[in-house]
Amino acid sequence: NAGVTQTPKFQVLKTGQSMTLQCAQDMNHEYMSWYRQDPGMGLRLIHYSVGAGITDQGEVPNGYNVSRSTTEDFPLRLLSAAPSQTSVYFCASTARGGGRGETQYFGPGTRLLVL
Amino acid sequence: GENVEQHPSTLSVQEGDSAVIKCTYSDSASNYFPWYKQELGKRPQLIIDIRSNVGEKKDQRIAVTLNKTAKHFSLHITETQPEDSAVYFCAASRGSARQLTFGSGTQLTVLP
Repeated sequence: NAGVTQTPKFQVLKTGQSMTLQCAQDMNHEYMSWYRQDPGMGLRLIHYSVGAGITDQGEVPNGYNVSRSTTEDFPLRLLSAAPSQTSVYFCASTARGGGRGETQYFGPGTRLLVL
Repeated sequence: GENVEQHPSTLSVQEGDSAVIKCTYSDSASNYFPWYKQELGKRPQLIIDIRSNVGEKKDQRIAVTLNKTAKHFSLHITETQPEDSAVYFCAASRGSARQLTFGSGTQLTVLP
């Protein structure tokens, strides 16, 4: 059980390039989300998905696209990278249901530098 | 939407002393309040959470208190140790761990 995995760990892009950040989980969690973490600003929600085929926008969705074709995978696409998207990106997954079992598990993160 | 403010942004304590981090939230409908610890270069990890039907929760040296009327909640770490040094984030949501709004974080340094 690998939990939540992310690739790549680190990426350098030039302004205008596109790329996909990969996220996968093997816990059969229905809910997955993407956050970005910038210094002094905590984590901010980009997009989330409540299940395969269903996605929605979070707090800072502009410049990012997502899709959820399977329960396991939730890729984040940068359409045309900008320096403002330099950040650390965390994917997270959560099991369905309330109570103590609903813990949000984070992946190890992807550091993105846009030049 | 929800807005979570966290104070202080940095906190230094001597080993063995207590540390307190405070957060306020704006959405009165929020009822789930987790705390995460993030070590340098690592992912955030849940250390404790509380739901609005209780006022306090403890787990060994860590406790969280919640004041729904004032819309604030706090993390208390007693008998601090150097390994407690990390960034701590509070968060809030309406009923689930899924759509969290995070505070800006507190860098805790425990001095030996």
